[in-house]
Amino acid sequence: DAGVTQSPTHLIKTRGQQVTLRCSPKSGHDTVSWYQQALGQGPQFIFQYYEEEERQRGNFPDRFSGHQFPNYSSELNVNALWLGDSALYLCASSLPGLQYEQFFGPGTRLTVL
Amino acid sequence: KNEVEQSPQNLTAQEGEFITINCSYSVGISALHWLQQHPGGGIVSLFMLSSGKKKHGRLIATINIQEKHSSLHITASHPRDSAVYICAVLDSNYQLIWGAGTKLIIKP
Repeated sequence: DAGVTQSPTHLIKTRGQQVTLRCSPKSGHDTVSWYQQALGQGPQFIFQYYEEEERQRGNFPDRFSGHQFPNYSSELNVNALWLGDSALYLCASSLPGLQYEQFFGPGTRLTVL
Repeated sequence: KNEVEQSPQNLTAQEGEFITINCSYSVGISALHWLQQHPGGGIVSLFMLSSGKKKHGRLIATINIQEKHSSLHITASHPRDSAVYICAVLDSNYQLIWGAGTKLIIKP
């Protein structure tokens, strides 16, 4: 079992560009959550996908969008990047339901110049 | 006031010492997570608790639902335990609310 995987591991973009980050959940998991962790801060919840739909969303602008595919993998898209989007983006997968543990990927470190 | 408060923020101890990290929360929860984050970013889930106590190797986690408090203990601490330990609660809206983390340094 490969666990949760994310790609790429590191990414450098310039202001105004768009970025797509990818996440493959742990085998058997169908729920994927995305978090943004700025340097020195705790992770902030972006959104969660289940059955290819956004089930819950945190306090992030519409520039942040996502998608979940039939194989449960997920993408996080960020448009019109600005410096403040520089962060570690974490993906977590779980079984549906509140009683199940979330498993985290290694993260994608995005730097916006 | 943050919904999840951790203490201490920073902790430095000698190898072998017994470590306790505390977490208090103010919201209704369905579960509480303890996570470990090493430099470089990767987060590892240590425990998920909804009641009582769990033990895994040298790690012990307890939760008191009535008092809205949880503790993470590390016995016989080792330098490889050095990391940031994060308490996060799962609220009724399926969101994880994170504490600020406790930076632990274990000196040999």
